[in-house]
Amino acid sequence: GQQVMQIPQYQHVQEGEDFTTYCNSSTTLSNIQWYKQRPGGHPVFLIQLVKSGEVKKQKRLTFQFGEAKKNSSLHITATQTTDVGTYFCAGPPGGDSWGKLQFGAGTQVVVTP
Amino acid sequence: ETGVTQTPRHLVMGMTNKKSLKCEQHLGHNAMYWYKQSAKKPLELMFVYNFKEQTENNSVPSRFSPECPNSSHLFLHLHTLQPEDSALYLCASSQSQGTGNTIYFGEGSWLTVV
Repeated sequence: GQQVMQIPQYQHVQEGEDFTTYCNSSTTLSNIQWYKQRPGGHPVFLIQLVKSGEVKKQKRLTFQFGEAKKNSSLHITATQTTDVGTYFCAGPPGGDSWGKLQFGAGTQVVVTP
Repeated sequence: ETGVTQTPRHLVMGMTNKKSLKCEQHLGHNAMYWYKQSAKKPLELMFVYNFKEQTENNSVPSRFSPECPNSSHLFLHLHTLQPEDSALYLCASSQSQGTGNTIYFGEGSWLTVV
C-alpha cells in the first residue's frame, strides 16, 4: 500500500533560521496537502498542491510539489516561535481515492528563541 | 475556531465502561471521518462516512462502533476498551467526492482508558 514518509521527524531551529522538511510517497499522488498541528491542538489545513512542479508561497512558507508528484517540501524562512508545531503532509494515491488521505508521521518543529 | 465540534474534549473511562464521542460539523460537508492519533504514530484513519453511508472501515476493532445519523453528526461508541486505546480521537469532515478534498478537523477528544 501507499506509504507517506516525512523527514526529519524532529527539527530544532534557532529563531531566525531557515529550514526545510520533506515528504516522500511510495506512489504517485494526485495532490499533496500540508497541515499544521500546534502543541495541544488539532491539525489545520495549510495548503494543497496539485500540479507537477507546483510551488506555492504563504508568507514565509514555501511549498513545492515534485515533478514526479511523489514528493513535496515545506521551506520556512526566518523561523519564528509561532512556527512551533508538527507539520504533516498527506495525499491520496493517484486516482479517485477521495477520503483516503494518507498522512505522514509529521515533522515536529521546536524553535529556540 | 473550527466548524467541527467534538464533545467531550476529555474522557476518562474504565475498561468495562460504555461511552460515546460526539461530533458535529457546521460546514455543509457530506463526508465525515474518525481519526486516531497516538503518540509517535501517524494519524490513523478509522472510519469514513459519505452521505451517511459508511465507506471505509480501516480494520478497526469492534469495540469501536461508529454511527452517522445524518451528514452533520457522527458518533463513536466505545465499549470494553483497552489501555492502548488511549489516544486523541479526531473527527473531521470534507466535501464529498473528488481527489482534492481538504480535511477539516475538530479539536479532538482526549481519551484515557484506565
